[in-house]
Amino acid sequence: GAGVSQSPSNKVTEKGKDVELRCDPISGHTALYWYRQRLGQGLEFLIYFQGNSAPDKSGLPSDRFSAERTGESVSTLTIQRTQQEDSAVYLCASSLDGSYNEQFFGPGTRLTVL
Amino acid sequence: AQSVTQLGSHVSVSEGALVLLRCNYSSSVPPYLFWYVQYPNQGLQLLLKYTTGATLVKGINGFEAEFKKSETSFHLTKPSAHMSDAAEYFCAVSGRDTGRRALTFGSGTRLQVQP
Repeated sequence: GAGVSQSPSNKVTEKGKDVELRCDPISGHTALYWYRQRLGQGLEFLIYFQGNSAPDKSGLPSDRFSAERTGESVSTLTIQRTQQEDSAVYLCASSLDGSYNEQFFGPGTRLTVL
Repeated sequence: AQSVTQLGSHVSVSEGALVLLRCNYSSSVPPYLFWYVQYPNQGLQLLLKYTTGATLVKGINGFEAEFKKSETSFHLTKPSAHMSDAAEYFCAVSGRDTGRRALTFGSGTRLQVQP
């Protein structure tokens, strides 16, 4: 079956612009996660959704970052007024539910802020 | 707070040699433990996980890992490296006690396999 998909695969933007990154989880997966991977580093957690609610937003680095999920499906991560330090690969993952099931990762969106 | 330390950002082995990638965690209660692999230009793929039960866990592609509570370690091994094993490997934990669903990742180890 289809895995987690993300779009766009690459995004180049100018400093100060807003960007939206999209994640389509595996159908039926109620839990959805966003992570960020900076060059040469491990993954940093950003936000976790259970259904359409976000019980854990503790990883969002600033108020420029926000995310929403609708229909217990698609999620959008929005970064406002992008900065160069926002350049990274943004990864989305989903799992069957929130009980420590395996997280399935998408291919990521590579964001470059000039 | 949980943390994960992967010793060695780069490991190079010869084809056919033993692969050993080290992972230590810090947690007041033994967490759930995972190893993920990331091949070039691909997403992360789960290799294996430990949640409960037998401490020696077997995964895909001939990899295995052993949970050692006394050493707070979860090292990844493979008896004989193959060229196709060249990739980046991430150790991760999630909280058994905190209820935190998100994974905390180590910084990764890039495995190079020499012919």
